[in-house]
Amino acid sequence: GAVVSQHPSWVICKSGTSVKIECRSLDFQATTMFWYRQFPKQSLMLMATSNEGSKATYEQGVEKDKFLINHASLTLSTLTVTSAHPEDSSFYICSAIITGISGGFDTQYFGPGTRLTVL
Amino acid sequence: KNQVEQSPQSLIILEGKNCTLQCNYTVSPFSNLRWYKQDTGRGPVSLTIMTFSENTKSNGRYTATLDADTKQSSLHITASQLSDSASYICVVRDSNYQLIWGAGTKLIIKP
Repeated sequence: GAVVSQHPSWVICKSGTSVKIECRSLDFQATTMFWYRQFPKQSLMLMATSNEGSKATYEQGVEKDKFLINHASLTLSTLTVTSAHPEDSSFYICSAIITGISGGFDTQYFGPGTRLTVL
Repeated sequence: KNQVEQSPQSLIILEGKNCTLQCNYTVSPFSNLRWYKQDTGRGPVSLTIMTFSENTKSNGRYTATLDADTKQSSLHITASQLSDSASYICVVRDSNYQLIWGAGTKLIIKP
């Protein structure tokens, strides 16, 4: 099946620094990727939709200047958490969709996630 | 307001037993319903996708049902294994391609 990878799998940084997380579709091209955030014992919360070659669409309440998203190619999207603070500590998960398989549904494949801890 | 509610919040069963997880939704208009399995510290993995016209869909020991009239879905796990311990998340897509996520059911299988 389709594979989505994330790097790094975990990162610890100091408050005020910036952290970049990469999301790659390994064996397919993804025109659309999604970024989610998940706090402990909670479900995934969509942060933004990333489209290749255009600006990301952010969900309400998500600061676009703090969470910079770049979808530079059909296989790579990056999320940069700028000036990270302890409250940004969370599990960040990306996903990519393949359209047109599984009976016509778009199928969403998730990366393994990145655990961010801001000290 | 579009919502997806899952029950129970958590469930503990013995290995080898069966269990059923519930999902009720108020999403309208409805496009499809998905069940995901999420292991701790990992991304979700799709188990099933069901449309309005499908009542039952199986994936190995996982069987999902859908009643579009009552807006209810269930995920039945037979002969549970220790590796089934995970969170199971119900997600409903509306016709505007928005995904509405349930909070998940945390399932623990004990030997």
